Amino acid sequence: EVHLVESGGGLVQPGGSLRLSCAASGFTFSSYWMSWVRQAPGKGLEWVANINQDGSENHYVDSVKGRFTISRDNAKNSLYLQMNSLKAEDTAVYYCARDVFLAVALDCWGQGTLVTVSS
Amino acid sequence: SSELTQDPAVSVALGQSVRITCQGDSFRNYYASWYQQKPGQAPVLVLYGRNNRPSGIPDRFSGSSSGGTASLTITGSQAEDDADYYCISRDKSGGRYVFGPGTKVTVL
Repeated sequence: EVHLVESGGGLVQPGGSLRLSCAASGFTFSSYWMSWVRQAPGKGLEWVANINQDGSENHYVDSVKGRFTISRDNAKNSLYLQMNSLKAEDTAVYYCARDVFLAVALDCWGQGTLVTVSS
Repeated sequence: SSELTQDPAVSVALGQSVRITCQGDSFRNYYASWYQQKPGQAPVLVLYGRNNRPSGIPDRFSGSSSGGTASLTITGSQAEDDADYYCISRDKSGGRYVFGPGTKVTVL
């Protein structure tokens, strides 16, 4: 069974940094693109970033470009999101999701980790 | 602003059918996928590609696409279908994704 477990969320001040992790199990992690998706409180889903199987290609939503970095460690079956220069509008639940890139489908999701940016 | 548009809310009587639409130019080149989200839960993929359902998704969920509009139809709505539904597609760059704003489906 596919499992994705996010961690690393918490309360951070504006301008601060946070690194999210996503531990994957139950599938061949190195064979899949992976995505991060976030959801601000009471709002809709927003795709944040994705990364290909070997980490050589990635894409970001404009609002996080230059501040967030997506990466992965296939030896550890782990996905990461380094978030710098955090703003109040980055406050959200962050989900990692397995990304079936050619189908434009996020077929498995973690339960999410909450990031709160506030002073 | 989102490149995809959805009706904010629709309601359907128990056992009846409802069609949820998602409009955007990306559907002229790419398929949509659809997600169901219930309060306090992670989204769940319910439809992708031309009309493909992941394992465990009931066959009352079906999809179609025409021109710049993708559609999700629930045939014979059940109480458990009461949820938010989001579409997603690629943006103009081809590498990035964009979600629609979501449709709240209320089963009466």
